Order: sequence, then C-alpha cells, then structure tokens
Amino acid sequence: GDSVTQMEGPVTLSEEAFLTINCTYTATGYPSLFWYVQYPGEGLQLLLKATKADDKGSNKGFEATYRKETTSFHLEKGSVQVSDSAVYFCALSDSGANSKLTFGKGITLSVRP
Amino acid sequence: DAGVTQSPTHLIKTRGQHVTLRCSPISGHKSVSWYQQVLGQGPQFIFQYYEKEERGRGNFPDRFSARQFPNYSSELNVNALLLGDSALYLCASSFTTGQGEKAFFGQGTRLTVV
Repeated sequence: GDSVTQMEGPVTLSEEAFLTINCTYTATGYPSLFWYVQYPGEGLQLLLKATKADDKGSNKGFEATYRKETTSFHLEKGSVQVSDSAVYFCALSDSGANSKLTFGKGITLSVRP
Repeated sequence: DAGVTQSPTHLIKTRGQHVTLRCSPISGHKSVSWYQQVLGQGPQFIFQYYEKEERGRGNFPDRFSARQFPNYSSELNVNALLLGDSALYLCASSFTTGQGEKAFFGQGTRLTVV
C-alpha cells in the first residue's frame, strides 16, 4: 500500500538557518503530494502541495519539488524563523476518485532565537 | 466564515465505554473524513463520507463506525473503548472527494481512555 517516510526528528535550528526536511514516498499510480504543518495547540494546516512530477509547491518561503525519479518531496526553507516552530507532516493522496491522505510520522522543528 | 468545528475538544472515557465525536464541515463542503492521530505519529485515515455515503474505510476494527447527516455534519462512534484508542481525532472537510482536493482540518477531539 501507499506509504510516506520522513526523516527522524526532532530538528533544532537557529533563526535564519537553512532547513531541509526529507520525505520519500511509495505509491501506485500518480499521487498528489502535500506538506501539512501543525502549530502548537492548533489543527493541521496545508502548507503546500504538488500534483504532478516536477511541480514545485511553495508557500510562506517554504518550497518542495515533486521528484518522481527519486520518489521524494523534500521541504526546504532558506531562512527559518522562530514562528516556524511546529510539527511538519509529509502526505500523499492517491489518484483514485475517493482519495484519502496518507501521512508520514511528522517531524518537530524547533527554531531558537 | 466558520472553519471545520469539532466537539467536544477533550474528553475522558473509561475502558469499555463508547464515545461519539462530532464534526461540522465548512459550509458548502460535502465530504468529511476522519483521522486518528496517536501521540508521536501521523494521522491515520479512518473513514471518508461524501453525500451521506461511505466512500472509504481505513484499517480500523468494526468498533469504529461513522455516519454523515443531510446537513453534511458527521459523527464518529467508537464502541468498547480500549486504552489504545487514546488519540487526537481529526475531522477534515473538502468540497469533493477528488485527488488533490484541499482538505481543511478541524482542531480535533482529544480522547483519553483510562
């Protein structure tokens, strides 16, 4: 079945550092790929998405590119802020008409001032 | 505009009891999905409903059931609660069930089974 694997955490960075969070997936067909963020005490929010190979999703300075050849969707940000501290989930949605989301385990990012 | 609302926000139940969780989707959204998020893990798909019909079911025992009402709100029921059912239960709404459709999540119901 479909699965998403995220790098182990947690990750602690200093403000303005470069961020990379790795995500790889296994799926049949042509899934859509997502990054969701969960801030402390809040629900899941869609951060960005990509629906086909070589698409780049971007939002709030975060970027991720859909790499079919490496089945990856790594999240990057050039300069993190304290306000980016949250839990980040990589997810995929299969290509069926009734598509559920399959999530990775999530990774906690803490950004120090 | 109101987002996805879930109730209650927290509850504590005893093993063997049953529980009903409720979700109201965003106005105009016809699809509701339920996810279970155990501490330290990503959300796991439980059910999807669209236009009051079950459209998908995850790998959960029959103790879990759900339904969707004519106003598109939804209930998740869990019978014979186990300690392992302790989790954050998330509801997501979307306009359709289609691929890549943006799903909006509620803040969840934190269930603790003691």
